[in-house]
Amino acid sequence: DVQLLESGGGLVQPGGSVRLSCAASGFTFSSYAMTWVRQAPGKGLEWVSTITTTGGGTYYADSVKGQFTISRDNSKNTLYLQMNSLRAEDTAVYYCARGTTGAAGTFETWGQGTLVTVSS
Amino acid sequence: EIVLTQSPATLSLSPGERATLSCRASQSISSSLAWYQQKPGQAPRLLIYDASNRATGIPARFSGSGSGTDFTLTISSLEPEDFAVYYCQQRSNWPLTFGGGTKVEIK
Repeated sequence: DVQLLESGGGLVQPGGSVRLSCAASGFTFSSYAMTWVRQAPGKGLEWVSTITTTGGGTYYADSVKGQFTISRDNSKNTLYLQMNSLRAEDTAVYYCARGTTGAAGTFETWGQGTLVTVSS
Repeated sequence: EIVLTQSPATLSLSPGERATLSCRASQSISSSLAWYQQKPGQAPRLLIYDASNRATGIPARFSGSGSGTDFTLTISSLEPEDFAVYYCQQRSNWPLTFGGGTKVEIK
């Protein structure tokens, strides 16, 4: 079974940092682009960042550029999102998602999400 | 940035009825559009990719159409499990963007 399991969320103070992880299983992780999507409470979906198969290409939403860093470790089948200088508006459920074989930007498989709450 | 506008925001229908959801892009995105379904407390699920291709395991009652700037998701006969929020998403240009969603609720 293809599975994505996020971890690392929790309560963080404004200005703080957190690193999210997404453990992949059931497929050849190194063959797929990976993405983070977030959803603020009661709101819609927002694309955050995508990384190519080798990690050589990364893309970010303007809202997180310079603040978040996406990375991956293909030897560990794990995707990461380093989140710095967190603000209240970064409060959301963060999902990792796998691209399709033909398109990095179509999200075929999703994790269950991890909630990040930025509050003092 | 490509803006996707979904309409209506809410669709109130009964089981067995046909649902027609619209997604309009602010500029042409060819067929680079996907549709997702999200139920409360769950992650989104891919329904349709490249405007008209059903994802694996998606029932035939779901269909997508359109190209350029105007797209439609049709649910031919609503089942109880289809009441959810539906999002469109484009992959034509970075940044990738989602529409604001259409909630399909039970009338």
